[in-house]
Amino acid sequence: AQSVTQPDIHITVSEGASLELRCNYSYGATPYLFWYVQSPGQGLQLLLKYFSGDTLVQGIKGFEAEFKRSQSSFNLRKPSVHWSDAAEYFCAVGASFMNSGYSTLTFGKGTMLLVSP
Amino acid sequence: DARVTQTPRDKVTEMGQEVTMRCQPILGHNTVFWYRQTMMQGLELLAYFRNRAPLDDSGMPKDRFSAEMPDATLATLKIQPSEPRDSAVYFCASGLEGAHGYTFGSGTRLTVV
Repeated sequence: AQSVTQPDIHITVSEGASLELRCNYSYGATPYLFWYVQSPGQGLQLLLKYFSGDTLVQGIKGFEAEFKRSQSSFNLRKPSVHWSDAAEYFCAVGASFMNSGYSTLTFGKGTMLLVSP
Repeated sequence: DARVTQTPRDKVTEMGQEVTMRCQPILGHNTVFWYRQTMMQGLELLAYFRNRAPLDDSGMPKDRFSAEMPDATLATLKIQPSEPRDSAVYFCASGLEGAHGYTFGSGTRLTVV
């Protein structure tokens, strides 16, 4: 079964500083990987996704993530954090269901990003 | 932007009562998920529908939970009877098979007292 580990429960970053959120996955086949963001009281919004091809993927809001198969990682990065980026971030791996292709998502426990002035 | 609509937004109910949560997936999406979010367990998959057929509900307590899609515009999650441990935020998400990524609703916050 697939699993996702986000080792950092909380991270505090100064506004304007760079950000990296860690994500490690476990999955026997080629993974489909996602990052979602959740603001308080809201649903999850898709930031970016990796299915194949270029291992550096660009997403919305200036985020990017790099897939490293050798490290089973899919870390999320942003060069300069804005106060509005404060939210909870979830990494997810998509698992093939009944050999029919990409289907269900397994989520990590999330990393809460706090942005200090 | 197209949205997944969930109702009610908040629900407080007494233990033992029936609770029904509704989800309107994005028009044209053929896959629907129900997830439950709690502080302790994070996001747990409860049920998964493709073309209105349930494909996986192994994460759902069968004795009290049921999920259905009576038509392509409505998915329901029902708890009967509800218990305090069911208190959580329940999310519905929809997507198009073969596409990349699902759209989540804003959730139903359920409190069972």
